[in-house]
Amino acid sequence: EVQLLESGGGLVQPGGSLRLSCAASGFTFSSYAMSWVRQAPGKGLEWVSAISGSGGSLYYADSVKGRFTISRDSSKNTLYLQMNSLRAEDMAIYYCAKDFTSSPSYYLDDWGQGTLVTVSS
Amino acid sequence: QSALTQPASVSGSPGQSITISCTGTSSDVGAYNYVSWYLQHPGKAPKLMIYDVSNRPSGVSNRFSGSKSGSTASLTISGLQAEDEADYYCSSATTSRSTEVVFGGGTKLTVL
Repeated sequence: EVQLLESGGGLVQPGGSLRLSCAASGFTFSSYAMSWVRQAPGKGLEWVSAISGSGGSLYYADSVKGRFTISRDSSKNTLYLQMNSLRAEDMAIYYCAKDFTSSPSYYLDDWGQGTLVTVSS
Repeated sequence: QSALTQPASVSGSPGQSITISCTGTSSDVGAYNYVSWYLQHPGKAPKLMIYDVSNRPSGVSNRFSGSKSGSTASLTISGLQAEDEADYYCSSATTSRSTEVVFGGGTKLTVL
């Protein structure tokens, strides 16, 4: 059974940083691309970033480009999202999600339970 | 404002069929057959229901079907059941330089 467990969310001041983690199990982690998708309170879904199975290809939405960095550690079966220069509009539940294939297809067939990031002074 | 346009809400009675539309442009839905649909129950993570416009992942009921015409994709749920009540989101690949994939704003399905 695929399991994705996010952690690292919390309260941060505008301009601050957080690192989210997503511990994966139940599948061959390095064989699948992974994405981060966020959902602001009461709002819809927004794709944030993706990484190929090998970790060699990275993709970002313009809204986070230059501020967020996605990475993965296959030895730890863990996906990361380093978030810097956080803004109020970054406040959301952040989900990690497993892709169908090793290159992002953006068909996300397994999701974690999400971790809440609150940006407020 | 979401890139893909969905109705805010739809409703139907148990046993009936409903259709949720997802309207995009020639840069996303109209450009590719890479449309997917997700179901999200309150407080839960999304679940993939349809991919490649009309394919169902293993384990998804055949009551769920997808189609596309031009720049509008549709999700049809037949034989409505109480557990179908949820938010539904469409998604599409896009030629936009600002993102790799776009979502619709979501549709709240109420089973009467």
